[in-house]
Amino acid sequence: QSALTQPASVSGSPGQSITISCTGTNSDIYTYNSVSWYQQHPAKAPKLMIYDVSNRPSGVSTRFSGSRSGNTASLTISGLQAEDEADYYCSSYTSTSTLSLFGNGTKVTVL
Amino acid sequence: QVQLQESGPGLVKPSQTLSLTCTVSGGSISSGNYYWSWIRQPAGKGLECIGRFHSSGSTTYNPSLKSRVTISADTSKKQFSLKLDSVTAADTAVYYCARSLTVFGVIRHAFDIWGQGTMVTVSS
Repeated sequence: QSALTQPASVSGSPGQSITISCTGTNSDIYTYNSVSWYQQHPAKAPKLMIYDVSNRPSGVSTRFSGSRSGNTASLTISGLQAEDEADYYCSSYTSTSTLSLFGNGTKVTVL
Repeated sequence: QVQLQESGPGLVKPSQTLSLTCTVSGGSISSGNYYWSWIRQPAGKGLECIGRFHSSGSTTYNPSLKSRVTISADTSKKQFSLKLDSVTAADTAVYYCARSLTVFGVIRHAFDIWGQGTMVTVSS
């Protein structure tokens, strides 16, 4: 099964806002409210940033927000900071496997 | 505070079986409503769900790996394990164990607790 589609890289200057897209199909993002987003720094385990499309776990900065339109989900990082430089992965429940399907990842660079 | 720790051989020969264990501290795998999952990440690539175990005893496997995967649990030791048969170089990856997020007792399809990951290389 193919991964969800994310741009390979997104960049922005400190203080700016950036948005990462994640495109799926009717078997995942379009149908289920189970989109999540993860931040991964080099050689570290992923960290959950958003679940159920737009919910933030306790302790995650309000600068991170999620949304969805049709079969595309988005993660927006506002007030970009140097510490936000990392890889970001989207994920969605998929009826194809009844497991979570991940995106191919987006590298965020803070200029 | 629940923590997960993977353990197992870092090198496996082709055609042999990869075996990893995830030890849970600060909690129990037999209580509560959680999925306990295995996820892998080849170097420089994305994440792939291998499968999961539920505290009820049920398992779900990725169809692409189903014929080679077994996930089991030893609740007395607070461990769950992964076995992947007939490995090839394509199975070389960092392997993570992870727990699903549960909100008001309902499982969400998201992972809020991860182990640090263990690198497994398949090579002769």
